[in-house]
Amino acid sequence: NFTLTQPHSVSGSPGKTVTISCTGNGGSIANNYVQWYQQRPDSAPTTVIFEDNQRPSGVPDRFSASIDRSSNSASLSISGLKTDDDADYYCQSYDANTHSWVFGGGTRLTVL
Amino acid sequence: QVQLVQSGTEVKKPGSSVKVSCQASGGFFRDNAISWVRQAPGQGLEWIGGLIPVFGTMTYAQHFRGRVTITADTSASTTYMELRSLTPEDTAVYYCVRAGGVDLSSPPDVWGQGTTVTVSS
Repeated sequence: NFTLTQPHSVSGSPGKTVTISCTGNGGSIANNYVQWYQQRPDSAPTTVIFEDNQRPSGVPDRFSASIDRSSNSASLSISGLKTDDDADYYCQSYDANTHSWVFGGGTRLTVL
Repeated sequence: QVQLVQSGTEVKKPGSSVKVSCQASGGFFRDNAISWVRQAPGQGLEWIGGLIPVFGTMTYAQHFRGRVTITADTSASTTYMELRSLTPEDTAVYYCVRAGGVDLSSPPDVWGQGTTVTVSS
């Protein structure tokens, strides 16, 4: 089965840039779109990136994402860190073999 | 703007069942796949299963197969998730999530507000 692996936590200082990785296992991450979600405590997730690198309206261009076929991974970068970016981030994709959604385990971003 | 409105908080005994509803307001329901996702306290997101209303087909995560049923009433733009034989490990927030297209390969685009289910004796 296809799975996604994220680091448990990352941290950065205000104004800096952090990158969160999402590594595919058991299949190519490029086969289906990857989405990224931000989740604050006691709230539903919200989309910050869809279809690998597209930002929904209202999401600042400080958020960007890419796919690296050579490492079979996706990455979410957040530049110009703000304290408001302090949240959990999840990557998500689709497993065509099992017709299921797959989520990474989530990464806690702490803005120090 | 489509919104997914879920039913309210549930408290259940071990061994019982829970049925959570999710109504789509403000948009057409039948042409979008719907998934259910849960999040246990302090844990990550876990996909439970999905429904493709236009074909009437369902698919479930292996972990839940045999214990969950997802159904839809397209006339009421409502989907339901029933989970049976509950244990305390089923305590979680349950979300319905709409896919952006007709099948589950389409990325999620709208999330419900979540329904808290607590299983305790």
